[in-house]
Amino acid sequence: SQQGEEDPQALSIQEGENATMNCSYKTSINNLQWYRQNSGRGLVHLILIRSNEREKHSGRLRVTLDTSKKSSSLLITASRAADTASYFCATDVDNAGNMLTFGGGTRLMVKP
Amino acid sequence: DTEVTQTPKHLVMGMTNKKSLKCEQHMGHRAMYWYKQKAKKPPELMFVYSYEKLSINESVPSRFSPECPNSSLLNLHLHALQPEDSALYLCASSLYAGTSYNEQFFGPGTRLTVL
Repeated sequence: SQQGEEDPQALSIQEGENATMNCSYKTSINNLQWYRQNSGRGLVHLILIRSNEREKHSGRLRVTLDTSKKSSSLLITASRAADTASYFCATDVDNAGNMLTFGGGTRLMVKP
Repeated sequence: DTEVTQTPKHLVMGMTNKKSLKCEQHMGHRAMYWYKQKAKKPPELMFVYSYEKLSINESVPSRFSPECPNSSLLNLHLHALQPEDSALYLCASSLYAGTSYNEQFFGPGTRLTVL
């Protein structure tokens, strides 16, 4: 079953602009992860944020987590055409070990 | 070696065929996973292996049969599949299962078409 919902489902921006994707989930979590998937390929792990963290940075990526609202956002700054991909949030449901449940994904297109 | 490999990349099979998907990693990871992904949908967990033992089976039909011969290899045996089983099958691994702070490393997937 799908734990997370992502918003928007699709996003089209110009190179150099920032892209923000949101993820909402339903149950308590231990951590939330973001993954990127290029068309028809495997997923690549981007960043993991623990339930006791509020913000995390990795290069041009900034992730926030609000456990009171059960939501997270992924910000990609100064986007590039190579950032074109689908982005999924994944939650590790409380006490379920490493069993990830993925959100519906945001399809990001960055136009050169 | 920091990658997960999957073979074959593409597979076309009839409903009466028996085939197998293979996944391999040499990162010393003790947890391995099979996911199924339909077009424009998120991956859905099928099976989890922890220390070469099946720990999670997400109510997958018996026409899918996983096997973990050793800590580096994971197979998915396919038999009597249906056209609706056509999808991208992804393998992943992580350092451990049962802990909450491990990223998963994904293979490129096998694109399966069932005729």
